[in-house]
Amino acid sequence: DTEVTQTPKHLVMGMTNKKSLKCEQHMGHRAMYWYKQKAKKPPELMFVYSYEKLSINESVPSRFSPECPNSSLLNLHLHALQPEDSALYLCASSQGGGRGYGYTFGSGTRLTVV
Amino acid sequence: AQSVSQHNHHVILSEAASLELGCNYSYGGTVNLFWYVQYPGQHLQLLLKYFSGDPLVKGIKGFEAEFIKSKFSFNLRKPSVQWSDTAEYFCAVNPIRQAGTALIFGKGTTLSVSS
Repeated sequence: DTEVTQTPKHLVMGMTNKKSLKCEQHMGHRAMYWYKQKAKKPPELMFVYSYEKLSINESVPSRFSPECPNSSLLNLHLHALQPEDSALYLCASSQGGGRGYGYTFGSGTRLTVV
Repeated sequence: AQSVSQHNHHVILSEAASLELGCNYSYGGTVNLFWYVQYPGQHLQLLLKYFSGDPLVKGIKGFEAEFIKSKFSFNLRKPSVQWSDTAEYFCAVNPIRQAGTALIFGKGTTLSVSS
């Protein structure tokens, strides 16, 4: 299995809702990432988990809450989002940060906040 | 702070024209380098990557890129573009450090190819 699987593919939620995005990989990668991408813009790093511990939080608002239950799973819990949070949310994984390690991206969850 | 610069914001070409997209990065250490493509409405796809060895790397769909260490550059090229190459192109850099070092993306270049 050489894929990163993200669910759901599309999500519409109200500003008072609580929802979660899920990301799964079975490649044995020990680093997992959440990125946010707006249309025609590059992906912006949100969080990095390394060996199941949060290693980077790029000053993301607390309405986004990441969770890494085990080495294969990464969740992003959403609560009280704003319409400007509508975007494509990408998950990625990598074997490590050294030479020769690539990144595998999921196809993303397209989130619309209404 | 590390950064990635893509010189061209929007490139417009006719079919069969040659393409070169510039990418420079600012990081003094060892890096992994990537080019990604994103077709309209679709997710990121890896075009090619450079880790070490031959600085001229070949990727999918006829794309290639050259790493010039002295210029901190990793420019993307294609000898003859097609209408189907219309997409957003992102250069990305991964500074080599410990595990969990994230990719840093450039702002992207929009390529429009007319038939």
